[in-house]
Amino acid sequence: GAVVSQHPSWVICKSGTSVKIECRSLDFQATTMFWYRQFPKQSLMLMATSNEGSKATYEQGVEKDKFLINHASLTLSTLTVTSAHPEDSSFYICSARDWTSDRYEQYFGPGTRLTVT
Amino acid sequence: DAKTTQPPSMDCAEGRAANLPCNHSTISGNEYVYWYRQIHSQGPQYIIHGLKNNETNEMASLIITEDRKSSTLILPHATLRDTAVYYCIVRPPSGTYKYIFGTGTRLKVLA
Repeated sequence: GAVVSQHPSWVICKSGTSVKIECRSLDFQATTMFWYRQFPKQSLMLMATSNEGSKATYEQGVEKDKFLINHASLTLSTLTVTSAHPEDSSFYICSARDWTSDRYEQYFGPGTRLTVT
Repeated sequence: DAKTTQPPSMDCAEGRAANLPCNHSTISGNEYVYWYRQIHSQGPQYIIHGLKNNETNEMASLIITEDRKSSTLILPHATLRDTAVYYCIVRPPSGTYKYIFGTGTRLKVLA
């Protein structure tokens, strides 16, 4: 149980275009999901907290208009990188918590590698 | 900022116990300690967590000092597949329960 999937696993896009990344909780419901980015040989950096049915909460320094987050259902959150540039190339990882459980660990997706050319 | 500090890297011989330390000297009384690991180019994997008492599961043991200012993750018989970056995280007791990752420890298990 407690599986989180991401789609796509990797994507290449041209500078100036937008790309959408999906995060799904496959066997549990998640009112809250989290989005991270990770540059090579660095740690995960929390970008935003995605709340089902409401606006996401962004961490300081993360541009909300560039990284659009939608959490329209209890099993799906999407991250759209708008007007992507090469510096947005990174590994994007989502996580989710089973809100019906009394356990509080987050379950992480396998990540999406974005390359902007 | 992360509330934890860990050594950047460690080596361990295959079959031996790997002991990974974590300092969390500013932890508050109701914050939990969580451990995850990340194998190259994958999402982090949950290992274990604890509050005050030592914990053990099928993957590892967690030893938390009495003052809770530090902890040690123990992999009892390390294998090559345990080579990964290990993260120690202090989880807030309420709110969104968001994680702030520190730099982690890169464990290399040697044959």
